[in-house]
Amino acid sequence: EIVLTQSPGTLSLSPGERATLSCRASQSVSSTYLAWYQQKPGQAPRLLISGVSSRATGIPDRFSGSGSGTDFTLTISRLEPEDFAVYYCQQYGSSPLAFGGGTKVEIK
Amino acid sequence: EVQLVESGGGLVQPGGSLRLSCAASGFTFSGSNMNWVRQAPGKRLEWVSYISSSASTIYYADSVKGRFTVSRDDAKNSLYLQMNSLTAEDTAVYYCARDHGRDGYTYWYFDLWGRGTLVTVSS
Repeated sequence: EIVLTQSPGTLSLSPGERATLSCRASQSVSSTYLAWYQQKPGQAPRLLISGVSSRATGIPDRFSGSGSGTDFTLTISRLEPEDFAVYYCQQYGSSPLAFGGGTKVEIK
Repeated sequence: EVQLVESGGGLVQPGGSLRLSCAASGFTFSGSNMNWVRQAPGKRLEWVSYISSSASTIYYADSVKGRFTVSRDDAKNSLYLQMNSLTAEDTAVYYCARDHGRDGYTYWYFDLWGRGTLVTVSS
């Protein structure tokens, strides 16, 4: 069973700054089966990235994903006010599906 | 508008039952593989159940197998989760989520989620 560990738990940044979120797997994630989601309070989670680096429909290009094996990164190049939220990674290459514990990006 | 709206959550006593519903709109529900995902307070997201577009394939997490039953009614564009023998460990926000796959193919990541419905199991 793969366990995903996200760091940091909370990231305090200002609008316009770059955000780098980490997702580390306890064992190698099969192929490129890693996704990222964004969730704001009281809202549904939203798919940002699938296949490690493919942006979902309508996701702005300031969001990018990278990585392989056990180490993955979500980068937000310049934070917009609407980007302050909680971000989750998910591996879907092996059973059971697994989600990370989340990184909260808050306004500094 | 493309959306999923869950309902049916509430307070239930340990050992009790509850039936969750998820109403889909704005897309072809009948061609979509669907899931339930939950998040207990302070815990990470946990996948609960999957039902294929044809309802011919169904999976459950070990933690709910034998107690939960997923079903769908394509005529009503609705997904259901029947939850029996509930325990405190089932307390969570329950989300319905659409698999990215269509027409029989499953990707196992989710491109549309609802806002969730809260289930609280407590005496």
